[in-house]
Amino acid sequence: GAVVSQHPSRVICKSGTSVKIECRSLDFQATTMFWYRQFPKQSLMLMATSNEGSKATYEQGVEKDKFLINHASLTLSTLTVTSAHPEDSSFYICSARERAKVTQYFGPGTRLLVL
Amino acid sequence: AQKVTQAQTEISVVEKEDVTLDCVYETRDTTYYLFWYKQPPSGELVFLIRRNSFDEQNEISGRYSWNFQKSTSSFNFTITASQVVDSAVYFCALSKDPAGGTSYGKLTFGQGTILTVHP
Repeated sequence: GAVVSQHPSRVICKSGTSVKIECRSLDFQATTMFWYRQFPKQSLMLMATSNEGSKATYEQGVEKDKFLINHASLTLSTLTVTSAHPEDSSFYICSARERAKVTQYFGPGTRLLVL
Repeated sequence: AQKVTQAQTEISVVEKEDVTLDCVYETRDTTYYLFWYKQPPSGELVFLIRRNSFDEQNEISGRYSWNFQKSTSSFNFTITASQVVDSAVYFCALSKDPAGGTSYGKLTFGQGTILTVHP
């Protein structure tokens, strides 16, 4: 149980385009989902927290207009990187947590490369 | 503010050696949760264990064991008889009690320890 998927696993795009990453909880209802960013050989940096049906809460320094998060259902959250630039290249990981539960389960991550 | 420190950046051992990964945390909360996650080269974080602040009982799961000591604010992880497949980055993390609100469930991660097990 507690499986989280992410799609795509890898994406290469041109500078200026937008990229959408999907995060799905496959066998549980995720009332809360988290989006992280990880640079090579570094720890995970929380970008935002989203509750189903509500607006996401962004961490300080994260541009909400740049990183659009939608959590429209209990099993799906999406992160859209708008007008991507090379500095947005990174490993993006989502996690999901069930209501009243403590543990977050992570997706396999999405490697984004912006040329 | 919460903080997690994993002082060991990299550890290299030979197969079958025991290895302990250190984790020290800081929090002002009385109720909190501690976690260990494993990140193999594929990138996915694998949940290993969770402990709440009221449960100091040590735990053993196969070759893995965890030592939680509130007196020293430490939550160390030991792998016995290490194997090559244990090679990964290991993260210790801390969260408040999610019952306090959505933001309380946010994880504060340590910097991670890169474990390399040589055959």
